[in-house]
Amino acid sequence: DSGVTQTPKHLITATGQRVTLRCSPRSGDLSVYWYQQSLDQGLQFLIQYYNGEERAKGNILERFSAQQFPDLHSELNLSSLELGDSALYFCASSRGSYNEQFFGPGTRLTVL
Amino acid sequence: AQTVTQSQPEMSVQEAETVTLSCTYDTSESDYYLFWYKQPPSRQMILVIRQEAYKQQNATENRFSVNFQKAAKSFSLKISDSQLGDAAMYFCAYGQETSGSRLTFGEGTQLTVNP
Repeated sequence: DSGVTQTPKHLITATGQRVTLRCSPRSGDLSVYWYQQSLDQGLQFLIQYYNGEERAKGNILERFSAQQFPDLHSELNLSSLELGDSALYFCASSRGSYNEQFFGPGTRLTVL
Repeated sequence: AQTVTQSQPEMSVQEAETVTLSCTYDTSESDYYLFWYKQPPSRQMILVIRQEAYKQQNATENRFSVNFQKAAKSFSLKISDSQLGDAAMYFCAYGQETSGSRLTFGEGTQLTVNP
């Protein structure tokens, strides 16, 4: 158990819908990262937050957004879902920079 | 942009034997860090080992060790005394402070351990 929690574990929804994925980092970790793992794109970095502020952005679609709240948990919002958004979405956390990232169990999103 | 390449999509090893997984990366930075992550069938991403680029000594964690060749931009993982529980997808990952510590992953190597 990495100490990072993600909910829900599985999510099945339809095209055009909007979903919210939630992540709670390990106690004391200030950084939260979101990654997408799909069959054709592999593991890709989406976005990072550090102590409530956006720190870095990857190839995150405009339909996707995220935030980190004062209690340091984070949410990833995916809207206007398409079939190609089906993937495993991971949240990871770390103490700060140059620290190893610990991954949550992931949320499996299926868009039908 | 930094890239990470794992040229072995699949590898297999006999239980109790040693196997080496390869990883190369491309970067113009001098200060960065490298990781190996393991992803078993449960899909959980598990950190195996970490190496800072400024350290010349190769990292070791029990049966896992790395061969870090900075000039060659190579970072291989050696698993000694392989166990059935080592069977998993292994990902090499690169990170650096100037990119916000995001990790860039390789394509992965699927390791099979034969009894």
